[in-house]
Amino acid sequence: DTGVSQDPRHKITKRGQNVTFRCDPISEHNRLYWYRQTLGQGPEFLTYFQNEAQLEKSRLLSDRFSAERPKGSFSTLEIQRTEQGDSAMYLCASSDRTILQETQYFGPGTRLLVL
Amino acid sequence: AQKITQTQPGMFVQEKEAVTLDCTYDTSDPSYGLFWYKQPSSGEMIFLIYQGSYDQQNATEGRYSLNFQKARKSANLVISASQLGDSAMYFCAMREGADDYKLSFGAGTTVTVRA
Repeated sequence: DTGVSQDPRHKITKRGQNVTFRCDPISEHNRLYWYRQTLGQGPEFLTYFQNEAQLEKSRLLSDRFSAERPKGSFSTLEIQRTEQGDSAMYLCASSDRTILQETQYFGPGTRLLVL
Repeated sequence: AQKITQTQPGMFVQEKEAVTLDCTYDTSDPSYGLFWYKQPSSGEMIFLIYQGSYDQQNATEGRYSLNFQKARKSANLVISASQLGDSAMYFCAMREGADDYKLSFGAGTTVTVRA
C-alpha cells in the first residue's frame, strides 16, 4: 500500500535560486492538491489538479510559483527566485473523486528553508 | 473570516484518559465535510475521521469519535484511552460545497500525553 510520496523531504537554498518539488500521488487518485504550512499554522491551499488540468489556484500562488501535472500522474511545484518568506512546509495530497467523502491523503511534505 | 476555529493551542492529558479537542466552523453552504488530521513531529498529516453535513450519526473510528453539533457549528474530536503515541498536533478542516474540493484548516491544537 503506497501512499503519497514527496521529494525531496528537505531543501535548503539561497535567496534568488529556483527550486522544484515533486509529488507522486496514490496511483488511482485523480485529484492532487498542494498546500503550504508555515510554523505553528494550519496548511493553506495553493492549487489543485483534476487529472492533468489545474482547476484552481489560490491568491497565495504568486507569479513565481508554477505547478504542473503532466499526464495526470506526478506533479511538480516550482518556485522561482525564492524569497525568505517562501520558507515553509509544502504538502501534497491526493484524493479519489469517485468516493463520496473524498478524503485527502497527504504526503510527508517538503521542508524548504530559504537563506 | 476564519472558517475553522480551534481555540485550544495546547492540551495535556494523562495516559489512558479521554481528551476533547474543540473545533467550530463557519459556512453558509448546507453541504460540507469536516475532517480531523493528526500531524506528528515528523510532519505528515494523518487522516483520522470524517463527518458529512448530512450524516445523521456522529462519526466514530476506533478510539476517535466526533461530537457533531450542527446547530452550534461545532465538530469536536474525542480521543478515548489516550496513548503516548497520540502526542501530536491535531487539525480540524472543512471542505465546503459540492463542487469545492480544497480544505480550510484551523490553527491546530497540540496534544501532549503524559505517562
